[in-house]
Amino acid sequence: EIVLTQSPGTLSLSPGERATLSCRASQSVSSSYLAWYQQKPGQAPRLLIYGASSRATGIPDRFSGSGSGTDFTLTISRLEPEDFAVYYCQHCSKSPPITFGQGTRLEIK
Amino acid sequence: QVQLVESGGGVVQPGGSLRLSCAASGFTFSNYGMHWVRQAPGKGLEWVAVIWYNGAYKYYADSVKGRFTISRDNSKNTLYLEMNSLRGEDTAVYYCARDLESRYYDSWGQGILVTVSS
Repeated sequence: EIVLTQSPGTLSLSPGERATLSCRASQSVSSSYLAWYQQKPGQAPRLLIYGASSRATGIPDRFSGSGSGTDFTLTISRLEPEDFAVYYCQHCSKSPPITFGQGTRLEIK
Repeated sequence: QVQLVESGGGVVQPGGSLRLSCAASGFTFSNYGMHWVRQAPGKGLEWVAVIWYNGAYKYYADSVKGRFTISRDNSKNTLYLEMNSLRGEDTAVYYCARDLESRYYDSWGQGILVTVSS
């Protein structure tokens, strides 16, 4: 089973700042199967990034994903007030189990 | 547009059973793999189970294997999760989600709360 470890657990930043969230896999994974989700309180998760670097439909271009192998990054270039939420990385697969990172909480400083 | 609506949640005693449903609309349900994902209160996301588009293959998380059964009725555009021998640690919001080529989830339901408590 692939374990995803996200860091930091909590990130405190101000609107307008740049956010960098990390997701590290316990073994090398195909970038095609690495996704990022945003979740706000009381809501279902929303797909942000798939294939490690492709933005989902309707996602602003301030969100970007990068990485390969075991190290992946979600970057938010200039934080807007609505970006403060919890972010999860996911490794999906044709051969389950499917795994999620434990999440990074992005909070207003 | 794509819509997934869960139902069937509620409060159940430990050892009890519950069946969740996920009604799909706005897309050709029989073309997509479907998943259940849960989230315990204040915790992260945990994958529960997947069923292939045609129901031919099903996979489960170790935490629910032997107790939960995923199924689908493509004629009714509905996904199910039969949950037996429920435990306190099964208390969570349960989401159904649609997968794209087994690579990511592009649509989620709003979630349904299951509480296991005496």
